[in-house]
Amino acid sequence: SYELTQPLSVSVALGQTARITCGGNNIGSKKVHWYQQKPGQAPVVVIYTDNKRPSGVAERFSGSNSGNTATLTISRAQAGDEADYYCQLWDGSHYVFGTGTLVTVL
Amino acid sequence: QVQLVQSGAEVKRPGASVKVSCKASGYTFTSYYIHWVRQAPGQGLEWMGLINPSVGSTTYAQKLQGRVTMTRDTSTSTVSMELSSLRYDDTAVYYCARSMLIGAWFDPWGQGTLVTVSP
Repeated sequence: SYELTQPLSVSVALGQTARITCGGNNIGSKKVHWYQQKPGQAPVVVIYTDNKRPSGVAERFSGSNSGNTATLTISRAQAGDEADYYCQLWDGSHYVFGTGTLVTVL
Repeated sequence: QVQLVQSGAEVKRPGASVKVSCKASGYTFTSYYIHWVRQAPGQGLEWMGLINPSVGSTTYAQKLQGRVTMTRDTSTSTVSMELSSLRYDDTAVYYCARSMLIGAWFDPWGQGTLVTVSP
């Protein structure tokens, strides 16, 4: 079965840039979506189809996908960006979620 | 506005079954797929399967095949997920979520339903 690997945690200084990776075999050929989940809340999509941002999501969130790695970038990080982030894709027969990354803003 | 509202928390014994419902509103029920995703305490997200409310067809995660059943009631715009032969490691928050196409992102999600398997 297809696997998606994310770093367990990423720390970023307030106002700096955080990059969260999502590794998978030839992931660049698939469409990757990213979710933000705050404690006690349901996940919310922040990037869909590699690099598209839903209305209402800050422009500070961006995505890219190539080769074996997809990346979610959070620019000018704010305290409110502290959350778990998950990548997700459809592998042709099932949806797969990444292992999840906790982002801490210092 | 588009909403998915789930049924309340459940406590079940090992070996029992649980049924969680998800009522949709604010859009055409039969035009979007509904998915179920669960999250064990302190763990990540696990996709359980999907249902096409238009025709009732389903796709289940291999791990749960034979234990999970998803159904829909178009008269009430409600999707239900039943999980049988419950084990302690089925304790989790269960979410429903919507997608326009297979392969597309999930938006929105329901508020979640805690299912606790306890002796």
